[in-house]
Amino acid sequence: EADIYQTPRYLVIGTGKKITLECSQTMGHDKMYWYQQDPGMELHLIHYSYGVNSTEKGDLSSESTVSRIRTEHFPLTLESARPSHTSQYLCASAPPNTEAFFGQGTRLTVV
Amino acid sequence: AQSVTQLGSHVSVSEGALVLLRCNYSSSVPPYLFWYVQYPNQGLQLLLKYTSAATLVKGINGFEAEFKKSETSFHLTKPSAHMSDAAEYFCAVSGAGSARQLTFGSGTQLTVLP
Repeated sequence: EADIYQTPRYLVIGTGKKITLECSQTMGHDKMYWYQQDPGMELHLIHYSYGVNSTEKGDLSSESTVSRIRTEHFPLTLESARPSHTSQYLCASAPPNTEAFFGQGTRLTVV
Repeated sequence: AQSVTQLGSHVSVSEGALVLLRCNYSSSVPPYLFWYVQYPNQGLQLLLKYTSAATLVKGINGFEAEFKKSETSFHLTKPSAHMSDAAEYFCAVSGAGSARQLTFGSGTQLTVLP
């Protein structure tokens, strides 16, 4: 059983608010990822990290930012939420040379 | 560079019928290939993976997939569909090595008809 946690599971927030989506894993994985997924659609990689102090932007441009100060923690921040940010955000982590483990996701609605 | 193409965004089968979900990949390095399943309002769960060992891979819930390098394919099959198999299925590819990204296909929604 993978131990990767995302909070909150659901979030409804007003336009212009700053939000942070939390992602934590207890498996000691160096690699962590954030994907954005609209309902019924494919996953788009928006950020990834290969270890502490390493962050890279993914294939899909995003206004969000991430940080990796600790191995187990990979939070995603939106400084000013907008309705176009409404989506599901999935966090994942992976050890070397094998599959990624996913959290349950955060479903964000910006009104 | 790597990419995944899943043919058919929606597949419907009758309960008890064969399930075939298609996945073709491209990769500039030897690929690792994965199938994930996603149930509504959930994260992704790994069904099976190919990491350069046996080309026929068996996964959970009776699913299996065969890596065919000549066809650059990794199709997912199950001999007999069950109602509980209804979900979204994603094929994914990554390259071997330390700096790997995981690239997903667009997904296939599987409907199982009674």
